[in-house]
Amino acid sequence: DTEVTQTPKHLVMGMTNKKSLKCEQHMGHRAMYWYKQKAKKPPELMFVYSYEKLSINESVPSRFSPECPNSSLLNLHLHALQPEDSALYLCASSQALLGGAGYEQYFGPGTRLTVT
Amino acid sequence: DQQVKQNSPSLSVQEGRISILNCDYTNSMFDYFLWYKKYPAEGPTFLISISSIKDKNEDGRFTVFLNKSAKHLSLHIVPSQPGDSAVYFCAAKAGANNLFFGTGTRLTVIP
Repeated sequence: DTEVTQTPKHLVMGMTNKKSLKCEQHMGHRAMYWYKQKAKKPPELMFVYSYEKLSINESVPSRFSPECPNSSLLNLHLHALQPEDSALYLCASSQALLGGAGYEQYFGPGTRLTVT
Repeated sequence: DQQVKQNSPSLSVQEGRISILNCDYTNSMFDYFLWYKKYPAEGPTFLISISSIKDKNEDGRFTVFLNKSAKHLSLHIVPSQPGDSAVYFCAAKAGANNLFFGTGTRLTVIP
């Protein structure tokens, strides 16, 4: 099973809302990632969790708050977003290396977020 | 600063012929390279990878070539099939660090 699942597939939220994106994998991977992808651009790394601990935060605004409740789950809590935060949010997982990110990363299908 | 570049935004190839997708990088510390394929409304799918200690890796119809002196890698797909039509991203990493993605090349295989 090389599947990473993400819910919801689509999300529309207002600038005052609070919502959460969810990601799950059952490959035994101990590194999980959040990426943001705008149209016609490559994915941009936001956060990396290694062994359920946040190891990389790429200077992401505090209105994005990640959480890794266990080795299979990764959440991204959203609050007071801006319209420019509208994008495809991708979750990925990989075997973890000590200190950071692993090699082949397996991606979920993404959540298409629209902030109005 | 884009450390991984794919200078061709699009490529069209006839079915059955070879598709060659190119990627250049600037960081000499990169030691692992990957190709991903992305269909619309889906996440990137891992295709093939190569370590910097090799210059070629093959998996079925897909072969990746690495030229470290030129800081260049390429993905060859042969024979190309209509189902290969997608956006292809190359990515690179240095040790345990983040993946850096190129901007993608849209491949269209014409039946």
